[in-house]
Parts: sequence; C-alpha cells; structure tokens
Amino acid sequence: KAGVTQTPRYLIKTRGQQVTLSCSPISGHRSVSWYQQTPGQGLQFLFEYFSETQRNKGNFPGRFSGRQFSNSRSEMNVSTLELGDSALYLCASSLEANTGELFFGEGSRLTVL
Amino acid sequence: LAKTTQPISMDSYEGQEVNITCSHNNIATNDYITWYQQFPSQGPRFIIQGYKTKVTNEVASLFIPADRKSSTLSLPRVSLSDTAVYYCLVARRNNFNKFYFGSGTKLNVKP
Repeated sequence: KAGVTQTPRYLIKTRGQQVTLSCSPISGHRSVSWYQQTPGQGLQFLFEYFSETQRNKGNFPGRFSGRQFSNSRSEMNVSTLELGDSALYLCASSLEANTGELFFGEGSRLTVL
Repeated sequence: LAKTTQPISMDSYEGQEVNITCSHNNIATNDYITWYQQFPSQGPRFIIQGYKTKVTNEVASLFIPADRKSSTLSLPRVSLSDTAVYYCLVARRNNFNKFYFGSGTKLNVKP
C-alpha cells in the first residue's frame, strides 16, 4: 500500500508570496492533518480534516488554511509568506479521526527568502 | 489536553535496552498514549499505542501503570539505526481533539 505522498518536497518562495502544498493520504484513510516543524518550536499542529470538514485547528494565523477533497486528498495554503514560515510541513493521515495513530509523509520543506 | 513531559536527551550503547519515560499527569479517561519515532528530515513514524498495562509489538513495548500518569517506551537491544527523536503523544479517541507532540527525547545510540 502506498504511503502518504506530499508534493512538492522542496520549494523556495519570497516574502509576500503564497504557497500551496498537497497531500495524498493512504488509500482508505479519511482523516488528514497538517503539522509545521521548526527547530525552535518543534512539531506544531495546524489543522485536521475528516470527510472534507475541518474538525480541529491549531493556533496559527488565518494566513494558514486548508481543505480536503472528496477523494481525501488535502491541500494547505499559506498566504503572504513571512520569513518565519520557513519550516518542514508534514501531512499525516489516519483511518479514523482522532485516534492518535497517524501515518506521516516525508514533508514539504519550505524556505522563505 | 494532557501535557506531556519527556527527557530532552538520552544516551545508550548498541545492544542495550532503552527505556524512555513520558509524564502526562492530567491524562483523561478517554486518552490513549502513542509513541512516534522521527529521523532527521523525515515525518514521524508510529511505533506503538496503548491505553493501560502493557502493549508489545515487534519493535517495542509500552508500559502504562494503573494511574496512567506516565508511560514508558522500552526499546530492546537498540542499534545505531535507533538514533532518533522519540515523541510521546496523548490523544483522545472519538472526540474532537488537537494533537500536541511534546518536545521529544533525542536518543543517541553509540557503538
């Protein structure tokens, strides 16, 4: 069974631009969550989607948004990029919502210049 | 939400058993305990999950005392490839929740 796939793996943007990251969950998984990982803040929860509905949201500004499609694929968008948004963005899928049993992708490494 | 506390780092030698303890004093009745392993520039990998007593799989054991205020991940006979960061996660099943990872424990396995 294919794992969680994230694209792109690496990208470089400049301040003020926006970015869209994509996540394809494991087949059959309906829950997708997103995390931001930085050296200073560690792994921080962004949001979780289940059956196209956002179920939970972390403490991030409104510049961070996401959505989930009917095939469970998910995208997250960051608008008006800031230097501090440079991070590894990780997507995780699970069979059900809120089980704590997450399967992570390899992440999208975003660098903001 | 149950806050977790783990040691920042631990050292071990190849072939030893390693026990990493996580404290979660305000764990709720419906919370489960899950451990993850993360290598640099990779996403975390699920290791094991439990609710109480002892759970064992092919890679680790998880010990949870009766009061559930702590848990211990046990890695038997570690190798150099077990050098990674280990996270303890407390999550609530079948309920709206936010997943918070602790600071993790950096395990350094030496030859």
